[in-house]
Amino acid sequence: SQKIEQNSEALNIQEGKTATLTCNYTNYSPAYLQWYRQDPGRGPVFLLLIRENEKEKRKERLKVTFDTTLKQSLFHITASQPADSATYLCALDSSASKIIFGSGTRLSIRP
Amino acid sequence: DVKVTQSSRYLVKRTGEKVFLECVQDMDHENMFWYRQDPGLGLRLIYFSYDVKMKEKGDIPEGYSVSREKKERFSLILESASTNQTSMYLCASSPPRQGGQPQHFGDGTRLSIL
Repeated sequence: SQKIEQNSEALNIQEGKTATLTCNYTNYSPAYLQWYRQDPGRGPVFLLLIRENEKEKRKERLKVTFDTTLKQSLFHITASQPADSATYLCALDSSASKIIFGSGTRLSIRP
Repeated sequence: DVKVTQSSRYLVKRTGEKVFLECVQDMDHENMFWYRQDPGLGLRLIYFSYDVKMKEKGDIPEGYSVSREKKERFSLILESASTNQTSMYLCASSPPRQGGQPQHFGDGTRLSIL
C-alpha cells in the first residue's frame, strides 16, 4: 500500500542553523510534492510545491528537493528563527488521485 | 486570500447524537475536502467533493456522510457520534485538479464525543 513517512516526529535545532526535514514515500509515483506548515490549533498552510521533473525549488529561506529515484524530498529552512517553529507536513500529489499527507515533523528552533 | 471558515472551533457532543460540521469557502473553488487529524496518523481523508451535489468517499468514510447543496458550503455529518470520532476535523478547498493545486484549510473543529 502507499506509504509516506516523515523522518522524525520532532526536531530541535539552534537558531541560525539550517533545519532539514525528510519525507520518504513508497508504492507511489507522485507528479507533485507539496509542503505545508501547521501551527498549533490552526489548519495547515501551503508553502511550496515541486514537480517530479524539478530537482530543486526555492522560496526565500526555504528550499525543497525532490528525488524520484530515491523516493525522497528534503525540506530545508536556512538561517532558522524561533518563528519557524511549527509542524511541517509533506504531501504527495498525483494528478490522477487524491493528495496523501504525511503525519508531520514538529520543528522547534531554540534561541 | 482564500478563506475557509469552519463553523465551530470547539464542539462537545454526546454519544449517539447527530453532529453537523459546517465549512464555507469564499474563493469559488470546485473542490472541497473533509479530513480528520489524529496524533501520529496525519491527515486522513473522509470525503471529498468535486462539484455541487457530488461526493466521493475518501479513505475513512465509515460513520460519516456529507452534503454539498451549494458550491461554497460542504457539510460533514456524523450520523450517530461515537467516542472514536473524537478528533480534529479539517476542511479544505482547492481549484479544479489540473495537477499540483494546493489545498486551503480552515482552522479546524476540535470535536469531543463524551
